[in-house]
Amino acid sequence: LAKTTQPISMDSYEGQEVNITCSHNNIATNDYITWYQQFPSQGPRFIIQGYKTKVTNEVASLFIPADRKSSTLSLPRVSLSDTAVYYCLVGGWNAGNMLTFGGGTRLMVKP
Amino acid sequence: DAGVIQSPRHEVTEMGQEVTLRCKPISGHDYLFWYRQTMMRGLELLIYFNNNVPIDDSGMPEDRFSAKMPNASFSTLKIQPSEPRDSAVYFCASSRSNQPQHFGDGTRLSIL
Repeated sequence: LAKTTQPISMDSYEGQEVNITCSHNNIATNDYITWYQQFPSQGPRFIIQGYKTKVTNEVASLFIPADRKSSTLSLPRVSLSDTAVYYCLVGGWNAGNMLTFGGGTRLMVKP
Repeated sequence: DAGVIQSPRHEVTEMGQEVTLRCKPISGHDYLFWYRQTMMRGLELLIYFNNNVPIDDSGMPEDRFSAKMPNASFSTLKIQPSEPRDSAVYFCASSRSNQPQHFGDGTRLSIL
């Protein structure tokens, strides 16, 4: 399973756009890129998933360059409630969606 | 829609006791996963099932840990005997094939 590298922590202010970049140099051809969000005392929650180019949903956007060796999660106009740990994962759809979680990025949104 | 349901939410017990954690996956999901989360090691996959059959248990720390899935709507993770180093938050997740995993809110386990 491809290893991921992402910043340990980030700070932002309410209303700003936040971009969290994840490196996955060893991503395999059949690997997807998935981002999860985790609040204290809760399980991780699926945010967005993509394979290449750009994916957007009601919560976030995911940008994936052509070489797929990195990806960027974009959170538009964050609020205090977006303070959480964000995990980037890569994995294929074989092996039952096995996921390897890295250390995640702890995002702190300040007023 | 009901999500993944785990019980108990909190468990405090003494070293050497048997601990049983329970999980009810989302109806219709054919994959079930057990994870453990600690500050030191982060989120680790312990075992996962497909159609109630254990597929990969390579993440199970040792023989003191066992997991079962007697039917599509119920799974248990058992630790016997428990040790203080087993203290962690244990998460259960479920998914359909080729779909993202949905996690429960976990069981916070403290072994004294």
